[in-house]
Parts: sequence; C-alpha cells; structure tokens
Amino acid sequence: GAGVSQSPSNKVTEKGKDVELRCDPISGHTALYWYRQSLGQGLEFLIYFQGNSAPDKSGLPSDRFSAERTGGSVSTLTIQRTQQEDSAVYLCASTDAGRLRQFFGPGTRLTVL
Amino acid sequence: KNEVEQSPQNLTAQEGEFITINCSYSVGISALHWLQQHPGGGIVSLFMLSSGKKKHGRLIATINIQEKHSSLHITASHPRDSAVYICAVGGTGNQFYFGTGTSLTVIP
Repeated sequence: GAGVSQSPSNKVTEKGKDVELRCDPISGHTALYWYRQSLGQGLEFLIYFQGNSAPDKSGLPSDRFSAERTGGSVSTLTIQRTQQEDSAVYLCASTDAGRLRQFFGPGTRLTVL
Repeated sequence: KNEVEQSPQNLTAQEGEFITINCSYSVGISALHWLQQHPGGGIVSLFMLSSGKKKHGRLIATINIQEKHSSLHITASHPRDSAVYICAVGGTGNQFYFGTGTSLTVIP
C-alpha cells in the first residue's frame, strides 16, 4: 500500500513568513511523529501523536512551532515567523499501535532565506 | 551527553569487507531501531529489536540490554550499502532518541 507522504517536498520562504508542512501517514497507523534534521545534524524529535491522546510536544523548539492532527490521520506542522535556523528537512513517520517499525516520509526540505 | 552514541562517525570500507557499527545508549528503552538513509533519499527502517539478534539478508543487528549496546553488522559489503546508518532508541515514554549517524562508504 501507499507509504507516508509529505508535502511540499521543498519549500523556500522568507524570514518572518509562516509555513505549513503536511504529512499523510499510512492508513491505520495510530502513531505519528515529526522530526527535524538540520544540515550535518542528527534527527531531532519534535512532536508525537498517538490516537486521540494529547500530543507529546516536548520536542518543539519554540512556541513558533505547532502541529495538529485532524481525524487521527493527516498532520500539519506549522512554523510561524520562520527564522533562518529553522532551515532543515522536516520528516514525518508513522507506526502501528505497537510502535514497532517506523515508516518515514520523504521529508520536506525547508529553506528560510 | 547524548542519549545515543554511535561509532564510528565515518567509515570507509572495501567491497566485500565485514562492517560493524556500534550504538550505545543511556536511557531506558522499549526498543532500538536501526535506520538507513541514502544520500538525498528517505529513511528506511532496517531493524527494530528489543533483545537478542535479528538477521535480514547481509544485515545483522544485535542488542545487549544489560550493557545498553547494539551493533549493526554488514557482511560482504557492497557499494550500494553506502549510506548513513542511524541508531534510534524508543524511550519508555513517547520520545525517540537518535544517534548522529554513521556515514558508510563502500569502495568497489
């Protein structure tokens, strides 16, 4: 079946603008993660959704970052008033209820000029 | 201190060599994952393990829970194995912690 998809694949924006990144997880997967991978850095956990539970936002770097997951499926990561240090690849992953194997999307490469 | 430490950071091998990548972690875990990321490509999950050993083709992953250590082995390495290999641990909470990755280059 279809894997995790993300859109857009690339996003170039000006400093101070807001951006929205979208993730479509694998159908039926109850858990969804957002990660960030900055140039030359490892993966950084941002936020975790599990079913209808309150999300774990402990990885969000600032209050400019927010995410929501509608209907337990599609998720949107919003970055307000983007800064140059927000430039990174933003990855989404979903897992089944057992949190066994993570399936990653192709990522969105965000460049803030 | 990082919750997950990988070594080596970079590794160059000749085709056919046996390769080992190590991962040590300091947190309590529910499971450990080995991920593969090709240049410009997406991330693929290779293994998820919580004990013992798993084998898939030329790849073998082991974990020692007592020592908080895991290894990823590649037998008969091939240039197409060239990628970044990332160790990730699922904590007892919701977070995943990632190593910084091992960049592997296999030379023909």
